[in-house]
Amino acid sequence: ILNVEQSPQSLHVQEGDSTNFTCSFPSSNFYALHWYRWETAKSPEALFVMTLNGDEKKKGRISATLNTKEGYSYLYIKGSQPEDSATYLCASPNFKAAGNKLTFGGGTRVLVKP
Amino acid sequence: NAGVTQTPKFRILKIGQSMTLQCAQDMNHNYMYWYRQDPGMGLKLIYYSVGAGITDKGEVPNGYNVSRSTTEDFPLRLELAAPSQTSVYFCASSYSGATNTEAFFGQGTRLTVV
Repeated sequence: ILNVEQSPQSLHVQEGDSTNFTCSFPSSNFYALHWYRWETAKSPEALFVMTLNGDEKKKGRISATLNTKEGYSYLYIKGSQPEDSATYLCASPNFKAAGNKLTFGGGTRVLVKP
Repeated sequence: NAGVTQTPKFRILKIGQSMTLQCAQDMNHNYMYWYRQDPGMGLKLIYYSVGAGITDKGEVPNGYNVSRSTTEDFPLRLELAAPSQTSVYFCASSYSGATNTEAFFGQGTRLTVV
């Protein structure tokens, strides 16, 4: 079983400020790193799926980087808005076998204050 | 296109009762998953299926059963509910078992066992 960790567990951000947080995962036997956004009372939705070392992905004001050699990924939110308030989950597949079985970190809960 | 639909959204069970959590997807995905999410913890895989008629255990299968008679439906059965099964349950699906394939989630079922 993989050990995927996220820090911090929660953070408060002032509207307009930028922020970032971390996902750590084992660097050996790496296959992919997923980021999901989970808003209260909604379904978790995929933000990014990253596979290559040095990969950078962007969706609007949210971007992510990946370092597979040292086993971490950063998620950045630029100019945070109240609608960015959500729990951000990262996950990595257990192993490259039948089924894309994901091991999730505990999530980073982001609250953007107006 | 409804995506992944879970019912019910909320349920309170008494210790020892049984229930079935329903999950249906209309995306013709072969791969389906059940996760549970406990506060402060990552989502943990209960069971998964790689196609109709094929299911397998995940990380935390004890106390649960699944079946997959059709591509669309993947119900999760709780037998003899226990307080430790109080959790939020998520059903997910993906069109491929490849590790770079994003998962699509339902809105979750919040279950309380008292």
